[in-house]
Amino acid sequence: QKEVEQNSGPLSVPEGAIASLNCTYSDRGSQSFFWYRQYSGKSPELIMFIYSNGDKEDGRFTAQLNKASQYVSLLIRDSQPSDSATYLCAGNTNAGKSTFGDGTTLTVKP
Amino acid sequence: EAGVAQSPRYKIIEKRQSVAFWCNPISGHATLYWYQQILGQGPKLLIQFQNNGVVDDSQLPKDRFSAERLKGVDSTLKIQPAKLEDSAVYLCASSLEAPAYEQYFGPGTRLTVT
Repeated sequence: QKEVEQNSGPLSVPEGAIASLNCTYSDRGSQSFFWYRQYSGKSPELIMFIYSNGDKEDGRFTAQLNKASQYVSLLIRDSQPSDSATYLCAGNTNAGKSTFGDGTTLTVKP
Repeated sequence: EAGVAQSPRYKIIEKRQSVAFWCNPISGHATLYWYQQILGQGPKLLIQFQNNGVVDDSQLPKDRFSAERLKGVDSTLKIQPAKLEDSAVYLCASSLEAPAYEQYFGPGTRLTVT
């Protein structure tokens, strides 16, 4: 079992819809969580991070964390074709260990 | 603010040859990471430095891979000898301070071993 698990997808949504990306983690030492977006052939870039249980909103993006369930999610509202990319979930422990999932590929269809 | 710099961007070598990658992190970032990303997979941490010291190198194949970070700034990652399965993108990232801060990635080096 990988330490950070994501559905590989592909996830396809129509333009304007809500895209929901999920991530589970096995290391209870993970304290902070990051969502990165990676376009094909490019490097990952940070979208959001979350440390506390609950929701965190930033524009069209909402990250959700449930430490009891070891679950992290990213919601993208009003999805745009430019959101089409691979979304990587990463967890960091207080010891500094950083682990990435294999990513979920999202396609937003016009 | 300048981003993370990496070179070369692309490298093609034959198996059993050696190769080296260079990374210059964002100024002031104490933590530097080297990742290996195979097509279709997420980045896999090879080694993490905090200033000059190694924080985590548990997934670094030490029989063929080595890395150093001199003076707590630039870093080099070396593979000797290379194998076919080393074909991947090698990403360097830096952050202000592990573990709480986000990582900033360089453009990566695409390595092809033939």
